[in-house]
Amino acid sequence: DQQVKQNSPSLSVQEGRISILNCDYTNSMFDYFLWYKKYPAEGPTFLISISSIKDKNEDGRFTVFLNKSAKHLSLHIVPSQPGDSAVYFCAASAVSNYQLIWGAGTKLIIKP
Amino acid sequence: GAGVSQSPRYKVAKRGQDVALRCDPISGHVSLFWYQQALGQGPEFLTYFQNEAQLDKSGLPSDRFFAERPEGSVSTLKIQRTQQEDSAVYLCASSLVVGTGELFFGEGSRLTVL
Repeated sequence: DQQVKQNSPSLSVQEGRISILNCDYTNSMFDYFLWYKKYPAEGPTFLISISSIKDKNEDGRFTVFLNKSAKHLSLHIVPSQPGDSAVYFCAASAVSNYQLIWGAGTKLIIKP
Repeated sequence: GAGVSQSPRYKVAKRGQDVALRCDPISGHVSLFWYQQALGQGPEFLTYFQNEAQLDKSGLPSDRFFAERPEGSVSTLKIQRTQQEDSAVYLCASSLVVGTGELFFGEGSRLTVL
């Protein structure tokens, strides 16, 4: 039973446009959500996070939106740049548990 | 070092061999995690250390997997009698605190069992 789902294995976006990556979760105990970015042959690197008490968190070109009623979060990247091409993972945790539960990732391709 | 260091980066083992994977976390980070990532999947939790104490090993797939962090810094993940299903990338991560989820990952050790 996948508790964190990223239903799009890949996404292709024109450079300069907005990239929107989606993530759904099933466990209502999750209260902290993170996005990680991964380049080939490297470990994941932390991108941005959001607590369940918020519905939006912004950091430069990256914004994460959380819709608790729908158990859905999204990552917006605007404007998209070639260096954003990577695999993006959504992950979730509960305050009582330090384990991160990960989605399967979405490969983002930014076209020049 | 500046980041989390893992070795070896690549390991090929024959089925039945024992392997040891090393992780050197960021200096001063009290929390250390091991994750297993199969091809095309997200990482899956294996075990967690706070300093030298292994507080959670619920994700270890079988008793062939063993992890230690004897002095609260370097950690070793050992897999005995490797099987083909053990083939994966093993990721180590560390963090200064517990609970935020903002982990710093190493580059991983890719294990291939033939």
